[in-house]
Amino acid sequence: NAGVTQTPKFRVLKTGQSMTLLCAQDMNHEYMYWYRQDPGMGLRLIHYSVGEGTTAKGEVPDGYNVSRLKKQNFLLGLESAAPSQTSVYFCASRPGLAGGREQFFGPGTRLTVL
Amino acid sequence: AQTVTQSQPEMSVQEAETVTLSCTYDTSESDYYLFWYKQPPSRQMILVIRQEAYKQQNATENRFSVNFQKAAKSFSLKISDSQLGDAAMYFCAYRSAENSGTYKYIFGTGTRLKVLA
Repeated sequence: NAGVTQTPKFRVLKTGQSMTLLCAQDMNHEYMYWYRQDPGMGLRLIHYSVGEGTTAKGEVPDGYNVSRLKKQNFLLGLESAAPSQTSVYFCASRPGLAGGREQFFGPGTRLTVL
Repeated sequence: AQTVTQSQPEMSVQEAETVTLSCTYDTSESDYYLFWYKQPPSRQMILVIRQEAYKQQNATENRFSVNFQKAAKSFSLKISDSQLGDAAMYFCAYRSAENSGTYKYIFGTGTRLKVLA
């Protein structure tokens, strides 16, 4: 049981490039989340999903898109990367309404945009 | 909208001593959940303890306990017998109850805990 995994762990992009971050969970969780973590700002929610085929905007969605085509995967895309998107990105998941209360986090992806 | 405030950016504690990390929150809801997460240098977020608002009894997990004051909207974390491995960033988080239709977690800005040998 790998829990929540994220690919890649590190990435350096040039301004304007695009990329996709992959989050995978093997716990059959319904809900999945993408956060960014910046110094002094805690974790801020980018997008989330409450089930396969659904997505919703969080606190800071601009510049990002997401897709949840399969229940176990939640993809975060940057269409045209900007230096302001330099951050550490965390994916998290949790069971549905009948499940537990807390989120389970992946190990994070450190993204640098030059 | 709900907010979570951690007013201590950094704290230090001597090994084997006790330290308390503060967290306050603002909400108009009566039912919700509160969490403390630990983030060591590895970056992995680890759940330390959670509290259901409808429970009056403070949650305890080994050396970690909370002081939950619902009326004051305060949720502090006490770490007893501090160990070097407790050094990390600690985040307080809030989530609405299941029947609220809200699936989001609100995080504080974190408190960095240093443990001195």
